[in-house]
Amino acid sequence: ELKVEQNPLFLSMQEGKNYTIYCNYSTTSDRLYWYRQDPGKSLESLFVLLSNGAVKQEGRLMASLDTKARLSTLHITAAVHDLSATYFCAGVTTSGTYKYIFGTGTRLKVLA
Amino acid sequence: DGGITQSPKYLFRKEGQNVTLSCEQNLNHDAMYWYRQDPGQGLRLIYYSQIVNDFQKGDIAEGYSVSREKKESFPLTVTSAQKNPTAFYLCASSMASGGDGGLETQYFGPGTRLLVL
Repeated sequence: ELKVEQNPLFLSMQEGKNYTIYCNYSTTSDRLYWYRQDPGKSLESLFVLLSNGAVKQEGRLMASLDTKARLSTLHITAAVHDLSATYFCAGVTTSGTYKYIFGTGTRLKVLA
Repeated sequence: DGGITQSPKYLFRKEGQNVTLSCEQNLNHDAMYWYRQDPGQGLRLIYYSQIVNDFQKGDIAEGYSVSREKKESFPLTVTSAQKNPTAFYLCASSMASGGDGGLETQYFGPGTRLLVL
């Protein structure tokens, strides 16, 4: 059964610094998603990674996927306060029907 | 505008009462999902449906029921059997997977916050 783990669970960082959020998954996942959630709000899709070595970038966020290591990373470059949110990664089961399995999330706080 | 709507935004349930959360989408998506989110936690799958008139239990289906009579609608009923229903409920939809690696990103509604009186 697919399990998805994120670390760290909490991240407090200064503006202008770089950091990486890690997402490990236990078995083969058809693809890997990253979402953002602001407090009290719904989830917003950030990236979908389909294959080994895939890299996607949007602004200060860059996501990558290593299917051999079963690892995805979300790298934050020169963080700004507006990036403060909770970030979730999610995998998809590949046996039978498709189910999305979410990690527990990383709560990011960027300090001015 | 295409999107997913959920109503109500806040819902209060009395003990022993069944309540129904609405989810509607006009994205022409085949698949729809219900998740529960507890404070500081990730999302847990309650039910999902890939086609009309068919649905499957997720990881925490006990105490919940759904129907899928129309493609655009997937209401969730929280029954009196659900003893701890206080949570944030999120509905999502996506294109059904064809197994061809197509993009099946889930799109989420704004959520319903359920509180017990």
